[in-house]
Amino acid sequence: AQSVTQLGSHVSVSEGALVLLRCNYSSSVPPYLFWYVQYPNQGLQLLLKYTSAATLVKGINGFEAEFKKSETSFHLTKPSAHMSDAAEYFCAVSEGGAQKLVFGQGTRLTINP
Amino acid sequence: GAVVSQHPSWVICKSGTSVKIECRSLDFQATTMFWYRQFPKQSLMLMATSNEGSKATYEQGVEKDKFLINHASLTLSTLTVTSAHPEDSSFYICSAHLTIGPIREQFFGPGTRLTVL
Repeated sequence: AQSVTQLGSHVSVSEGALVLLRCNYSSSVPPYLFWYVQYPNQGLQLLLKYTSAATLVKGINGFEAEFKKSETSFHLTKPSAHMSDAAEYFCAVSEGGAQKLVFGQGTRLTINP
Repeated sequence: GAVVSQHPSWVICKSGTSVKIECRSLDFQATTMFWYRQFPKQSLMLMATSNEGSKATYEQGVEKDKFLINHASLTLSTLTVTSAHPEDSSFYICSAHLTIGPIREQFFGPGTRLTVL
C-alpha cells in the first residue's frame, strides 16, 4: 500500500529565505509523486509532479522537487520565499498515473516579513 | 487549463436532511472523478471513485448508502449526503481525471463546505 509522510506539520521561514518542505513516500511500484498547494477554503492546485522522467522537477511559482529513490523522498524547495507562498502544501503519491491519490498530512507554510 | 467547478460552494442544513453537491468538469470530459473529504486542519481523505456510467467505488469505512454518488455524464458527478448529521460537517472536494495522450492528471474543484446543524 502507498503512503506519504510529510515531516513537519508547520514550517515557518522569513521572506527571501529558502523553503524546504519534506516528503517521504512508500510504494510497492515506481510511484508518481505530486505536490499540491491549498489556499484557505479553496481546492488544490498542482505545483509539480514526478512521473518517472527527470528526477529534478520544476513547477510553478519557482518551486522544484527532487525525486530520490534511494531515500524514498520527494522534498519541495524554493530558493526565496515570498509572502504569497503562505499556504498549506500537500505531497501525494499515486500508482498508475494520477489515479487514486494518497495524500500526506500536509504542511502549513508561514512566511515571516 | 482544465477547470472543475463545484456547487454549492457552501451549504448549511438541518440534521436529518439530504444535501446534493455537484462537481463539473467545464472544459473537458472525465470518465473518472474522485470525491474527498477534508476535516479542519487535516489532509484529504479519498471517499470514493466515481466512474461514468457505472457504480462508484467506495473506500473502506465510507458508507455507500449515506454518501450517494452519481456520475451520469462525462462532465458531471454528484455527491448526495443523505440524512446528514453534525459529524458529516466537513469540506468536500472533488477532482476530475484528465487523460490526453501522455497527460494524466487530476484537476480539483474549489470545494464545498457543508455545515450540519
